[in-house]
Amino acid sequence: EAQVTQNPRYLITVTGKKLTVTCSQNMNHEYMSWYRQDPGLGLRQIYYSMNVEVTDKGDVPEGYKVSRKEKRNFPLILESPSPNQTSLYFCASSSGTGNTIYFGEGSWLTVV
Amino acid sequence: KNEVEQSPQNLTAQEGEFITINCSYSVGISALHWLQQHPGGGIVSLFMLSSGKKKHGRLIATINIQEKHSSLHITASHPRDSAVYICAVTSNTGNQFYFGTGTSLTVIP
Repeated sequence: EAQVTQNPRYLITVTGKKLTVTCSQNMNHEYMSWYRQDPGLGLRQIYYSMNVEVTDKGDVPEGYKVSRKEKRNFPLILESPSPNQTSLYFCASSSGTGNTIYFGEGSWLTVV
Repeated sequence: KNEVEQSPQNLTAQEGEFITINCSYSVGISALHWLQQHPGGGIVSLFMLSSGKKKHGRLIATINIQEKHSSLHITASHPRDSAVYICAVTSNTGNQFYFGTGTSLTVIP
């Protein structure tokens, strides 16, 4: 079954404590991306990757890092989380930007 | 800046009604996507369009590239269609996605 898997699904953490949200896809997709969704603002792109070792900033990259060492994995790293990073995060993949997007189930992150 | 605008923001319909959700965009695009998000958060891709019209069951999506406008139609609406519908575009100048803020649809039995 085609899947994008994110973990953890729910997390409450404290300000400054580094965390990583993992994302894995089983469709051999080149394109992967991270988004955050906030009320009234909709989905906003954080980072994207066109392929292994190729990453680029989206609209709201501040406070986030990513890496793409393997095609299937695209983790999102918050080195020093702050309360304004409390949000619902989605990972997604596709075989190209002009093709169907597959989303993970979302990760609810609360930073206190 | 809002590269993608959707209307209406909220929509309530009686079961069986014909529904239209509109999307306008201001950037050059390589593709336009309609997404569905149910309560609980999961997002599913309904359509990907670069021209013309697509139909899947009771859902129809159209796009007019010249006018930079797309519509999502739902025929014979049903309570299970209640969800947030999101329009997204892929910019043709890069590899970024831009999203509308979504249309919250409630279909009443």
